[in-house]
Amino acid sequence: AQKVTQAQTEISVVEKEDVTLDCVYETRDTTYYLFWYKQPPSGELVFLIRRNSFDEQNEISGRYSWNFQKSTSSFNFTITASQVVDSAVYFCALSMNRDDKIIFGKGTRLHILP
Amino acid sequence: ETGVTQTPRHLVMGMTNKKSLKCEQHLGHNAMYWYKQSAKKPLELMFVYSLEERVENNSVPSRFSPECPNSSHLFLHLHTLQPEDSALYLCASSQDPGNRAGELFFGEGSRLTVL
Repeated sequence: AQKVTQAQTEISVVEKEDVTLDCVYETRDTTYYLFWYKQPPSGELVFLIRRNSFDEQNEISGRYSWNFQKSTSSFNFTITASQVVDSAVYFCALSMNRDDKIIFGKGTRLHILP
Repeated sequence: ETGVTQTPRHLVMGMTNKKSLKCEQHLGHNAMYWYKQSAKKPLELMFVYSLEERVENNSVPSRFSPECPNSSHLFLHLHTLQPEDSALYLCASSQDPGNRAGELFFGEGSRLTVL
């Protein structure tokens, strides 16, 4: 079965601290894609990153970085020097190559306190 | 203005009402989706339309009826809903009919409350 687990329901950190959001996935497929989306208070989910299962290189984009480890089936997301505007719900998602479904985790609500 | 627009943003309806949610995408995409987001569940895929044809229906109750008249517009017709149907309904679009590798572009959602 395919599944995405975001064990952290809610996290609060003080501005400028670093924070890591955890994502663990389950699939028996060898080809799959992992995503992170951000949902600000306005409601729409905003795409942040896509990673395919054959590319385990970590990625950095400004203050955001992602650590993909197939050995632990994890795709964690770190925000460095957090800002109040980073406050949102963050979703990790999994898509298999053989069908059109994207499976979302339950999301982690992140509060950045000024 | 976002690439995917949803109306209304908020809707309150009784269980015997009939209403519709509308979604419009201005991105030239080929596929459109309805997702349901409720308080205690992950995002649930309800319907997928690819090139205006329905390709996915995740066992959604018949009180939800989708319509895709063209590749830019998607509707969700609602009738005789239940209070547990209260949720945020998100529309999304993608470039490719198979969204397995492509990113989804979401609207801001329609917050539905069923009394």
